[in-house]
Formats: sequence, structure tokens, C-alpha cells
Amino acid sequence: QLQLQESGPGLVKPSETLSLTCTVSGGSISSSSYYWGWIRQPPGKELEWIGSIYYSGSTSCNPSLKSRVTISVDTSKNQFSLKLNSVTAADTAVYYCARQLWSNLFDPWGQGTLVTVSS
Amino acid sequence: EIMLTQSPGTLSLSPGERATLSCRASQSVSSSYLAWYQQKPGQAPRLLIYGASSRATGIPDRFSGSGSGTDFTLTISGLEPEDFAAYYCHQYGSSPWTFGQGTRVEIK
Repeated sequence: QLQLQESGPGLVKPSETLSLTCTVSGGSISSSSYYWGWIRQPPGKELEWIGSIYYSGSTSCNPSLKSRVTISVDTSKNQFSLKLNSVTAADTAVYYCARQLWSNLFDPWGQGTLVTVSS
Repeated sequence: EIMLTQSPGTLSLSPGERATLSCRASQSVSSSYLAWYQQKPGQAPRLLIYGASSRATGIPDRFSGSGSGTDFTLTISGLEPEDFAAYYCHQYGSSPWTFGQGTRVEIK
């Protein structure tokens, strides 16, 4: 059964870079059938797609965040990562990683990790 | 960007009652690429319905989805205690992929 687990600092200072890693188990991140995505949910707000990556390194991002987002993949570790720079309090959210099917549907998701932006 | 508006924001019902949740899109969702997720506090979203009306693996048949174009509905026929949660619609037909703001189904 495929499982995803997010990891990274729970507290980031304003103007710094948020860095998270998603570790995939129970399946290979190098499968040609899937993309791998990041989604976030600010407290009390709706879910927002951040961006996705293919095992080859090809990425797509939400235009609203594209200028600040870097997504990378490490197939040797079965991991993919998110970097979001110049963070503000508005970036405080639970960050989820998920598998993205060819239809672009997200399933399954990791448990999520809360990242707070505060000095 | 396709905006999704869910209604109502909160639905107060008793176990055994029928729940009807609405999701309206700002423009037509291509190929009915509309999904519904259930989320409980502290947990990841769980896929219930995809393609507007297909149940995901292991989802009970009391959950059903319908609709096309811009108007979609999730129906739970006979609420079980474990169904009280938040529900989100999600369109995956047009990038950027977007989600509704959610409907919370609470115990009356």
C-alpha cells in the first residue's frame, strides 16, 4: 500500500525559505504513471495546489506561487521536495504531499505537516 | 482558474438522515473531472468520488456523486457516525487544479 510522509521544520522565520520533503514508501517514485504533488491548507481556509513533479524532473506549478516555488525529486531516496522562498505569515499552513494520477487526480495523500511562519 | 463554491458551509443533521452537498464551478469542468474528498480533523483528505460519480475503492455505496458542467452534488444517503466530517470538491480538469472551500457536516 502506497504511503507518503512529509517531513521538515515546523517553524520558519519570515523572509526565509520553507523546505519540506515527502518520502514515498510501498511504491516507486520512478513510476511512469504518476506525478507527485504538493498541496497546502491554511488554517480555516481551502486547499491550494502548489505544484507537481514527474520522476524525470519535469514540473508544473500554480501561477500564484510559481515565482517562489522549487520542486525537486531524488529517485535514489524515493523522495521529492518543496522549497518556498520569501515566506510570510500567509504561508502558514498544513502542507500535504500526494500522488497525482495521469488524470491529475490526487490520491493518496500524506498525513500533512503544519508549518508556521513566525519570528 | 476555475473557482469552486460549495454550499452550504455547514450542514447540521442527525445520524440516519440524508445529506446533500453542492459544488458549483465558475466555468464548465472538462470531462466531469470533479472529485469529492472527506477530511476528518488531523487527517489527510480521503478520496470518495472521482469523475463526478465514480466511487473510489472501498467507499460505501451510501456515498454517491452526480452532476456535470458547472453543478455537482455529493449525496450521503443515511449518515453514519463516522460520516460527520468536512467534505471538499476538487476539479482536476483544468490547471491550476482547484478545491472548494468545504462543507462541514456536523451532528445536530
